[in-house]
Amino acid sequence: QKEVEQNSGPLSVPEGAIASLNCTYSDRGSQSFFWYRQYSGKSPELIMFIYSNGDKEDGRFTAQLNKASQYVSLLIRDSQPSDSATYLCAVNPDYKLSFGAGTTVTVRA
Amino acid sequence: DVKVTQSSRYLVKRTGEKVFLECVQDMDHENMFWYRQDPGLGLRLIYFSYDVKMKEKGDIPEGYSVSREKKERFSLILESASTNQTSMYLCASRDSGRAGETQYFGPGTRLLVL
Repeated sequence: QKEVEQNSGPLSVPEGAIASLNCTYSDRGSQSFFWYRQYSGKSPELIMFIYSNGDKEDGRFTAQLNKASQYVSLLIRDSQPSDSATYLCAVNPDYKLSFGAGTTVTVRA
Repeated sequence: DVKVTQSSRYLVKRTGEKVFLECVQDMDHENMFWYRQDPGLGLRLIYFSYDVKMKEKGDIPEGYSVSREKKERFSLILESASTNQTSMYLCASRDSGRAGETQYFGPGTRLLVL
C-alpha cells in the first residue's frame, strides 16, 4: 500500500465550478499535510498546509483534514483556467515528506 | 522569499558518464532533498541531508550519491548514468527538522541519458 494515495484523475471541471481533490494516507502518526500545485514543466509550489482537524480556507482554496479517517482534501471554488495543473498531496509522517502521485485538473472555459 | 536554484534546466548525457547536479539555497536552511519525478510515479526521494556533511538515503538511492560540503549547496551525483535515470530531478530545502516545516523546490533539471 502506498503511503499517500490520491484520486487518479484527470479531473475536468467547467469554469466557475468546484474542483474536489482527495488524498488518503497510511501513517496514523502523520501531523502535517500539504497541497502543492505543479504546472506542466514547472516545479511544485505550496498552496496550502493544514495541521488540525477541520477546514482551513485561503482565498478560493479550502483544505479539509480528518485524521480519524486519514484523509485530507482540497476544494477549489470558482475554478479558473489558471487552476489547470497537477495537485500533489504531501504528508509529513516524520522529518521528510511523502508525496502522492498527483491529480491533474483541467478547467474548461 | 526562499530561493532554491539548480545548476541546469536541461541536460543531455551519454550512458556511463558521471553526472553532477547542483542545488543552492539562499535561506540558510538546514535540510536539503533530492527527488526525481516520473509520470505516474510522483515524487520519489533519492537522498536528503539534515546538516553539512550529513546525508541519509531516501527511497531510491541506488545509482546515486550526494555531497554536502557547505550548508547552502547539495549536489547529486550519478556515478555512471544509465537510460533509466532519465527523469526530472528536483531539489528542495527546508528550514528545520520539525514536522510542520514545508519544503521549497528549485526549478528542476530535466536529464536525458542517451
